[in-house]
Amino acid sequence: DIQMTQSPSSLSASVGDRVTITCRTSQSIGSYLNWYQQKPGKAPKLLIYVASRLQSGVPSRFSGSGSETDFTLTISSLQPEDFATYYCQQSFNSPRTFGQGTKVEIK
Amino acid sequence: QVQLVQSGTEMKKPGASVKVSCKASGYSFTTYYVHWVRQAPGLGFEWLGIINPNTGITKYAQKFQGSVTMTSDTSTSTVYMELSSLRPDDTAVYYCAREAGPGGWFDPWGQGTLVIVSS
Repeated sequence: DIQMTQSPSSLSASVGDRVTITCRTSQSIGSYLNWYQQKPGKAPKLLIYVASRLQSGVPSRFSGSGSETDFTLTISSLQPEDFATYYCQQSFNSPRTFGQGTKVEIK
Repeated sequence: QVQLVQSGTEMKKPGASVKVSCKASGYSFTTYYVHWVRQAPGLGFEWLGIINPNTGITKYAQKFQGSVTMTSDTSTSTVYMELSSLRPDDTAVYYCAREAGPGGWFDPWGQGTLVIVSS
């Protein structure tokens, strides 16, 4: 199984801050990496697919980059509605695996 | 709009089975694979498997081989996930999710079904 290592596991930031979350995979997956946002009690929401493509309707302050084993999700200017937990997921093969999540909290 | 709507909360005793439904709407049901994923309280995501709703062909995570069964009903655009021999550590929110494109991303997800296993 492909192991996913996300960092940090949590962070505190202020509105307007630039936030970067990283995801490292245990083997090369090309661009088969997706990012989701989850708020308490809700289902995950797709933000970024195949490493860098912005899902329709997602604000442009979200961006993704990377390939092979190292990936990054960036929020350019954190907004109040962005406080949530973020997960990476590989779709290179089965079993599909997820990072352990990064909880973004208000400073 | 594209939507997956799941059945409601289930409470089961250890050793029992549970069957969760996931009804699709807003798209061609037979065109897109559906995955099942679970999230135990306060923990991360665990993938259970995938079903082709058109053919019924499935692939399950090794951990769940023999305990999970996924089926589809094209007449109602519904997929089902049945988990047997339940244990307390099967307590989790179970999600269905559509595989939305060739890159394998999940969109949308169902709203989730809480399954509680307790004596």
